[in-house]
Amino acid sequence: AQSVTQPDIHITVSEGASLELRCNYSYGATPYLFWYVQSPGQGLQLLLKYFSGDTLVQGIKGFEAEFKRSQSSFNLRKPSVHWSDAAEYFCAVGGLILTGGGNKLTFGTGTQLKVEL
Amino acid sequence: GAVVSQHPSWVICKSGTSVKIECRSLDFQATTMFWYRQFPKQSLMLMATSNEGSKATYEQGVEKDKFLINHASLTLSTLTVTSAHPEDSSFYICSARETGELFFGEGSRLTVL
Repeated sequence: AQSVTQPDIHITVSEGASLELRCNYSYGATPYLFWYVQSPGQGLQLLLKYFSGDTLVQGIKGFEAEFKRSQSSFNLRKPSVHWSDAAEYFCAVGGLILTGGGNKLTFGTGTQLKVEL
Repeated sequence: GAVVSQHPSWVICKSGTSVKIECRSLDFQATTMFWYRQFPKQSLMLMATSNEGSKATYEQGVEKDKFLINHASLTLSTLTVTSAHPEDSSFYICSARETGELFFGEGSRLTVL
């Protein structure tokens, strides 16, 4: 069974500081990995995804993530956090089902990011 | 990117009534849509996969008769919470796949009094 662990429930950083959100996954085949951001009362917005190729992926809003197969990790990073980055971040893993089922994603429990001014 | 829209964003209803939530793909056709439920401070849990023109596939533990899903067209899936009770209060989010990527709706907050 696939699973995702986000060990940090809450993280607080100062504006301008660097950020790393941790994500570990368990998946029986080649994983497809995603990071989503959710603002209060809103749906999810895709930050970035990893399917294959370069293990360092760039996303929107200055975020990046690195896939490390040996550590089963897909940590999200940002060099300099902005106050508007305060939100909840979800890591997800899934497999691309080619024959009609679509992506079935398993989400982590999320990390709530607070940014201090 | 593709746009998925949900309606209503907020709904408050009395216990025992039924509530319908719509999920629309605005600029693409979606043969498959997904319904998630999110409890406060928790992650999204997949409830069911909605398939256009056929029955939905429910995840283990999700009551089919409680959460009715209809995917009557390529741009619309509906989730009906039947005989709603306070424990059904939650944030419901739908998603649809377009060119291999999932796009999520804004979510619908259901409060059952």
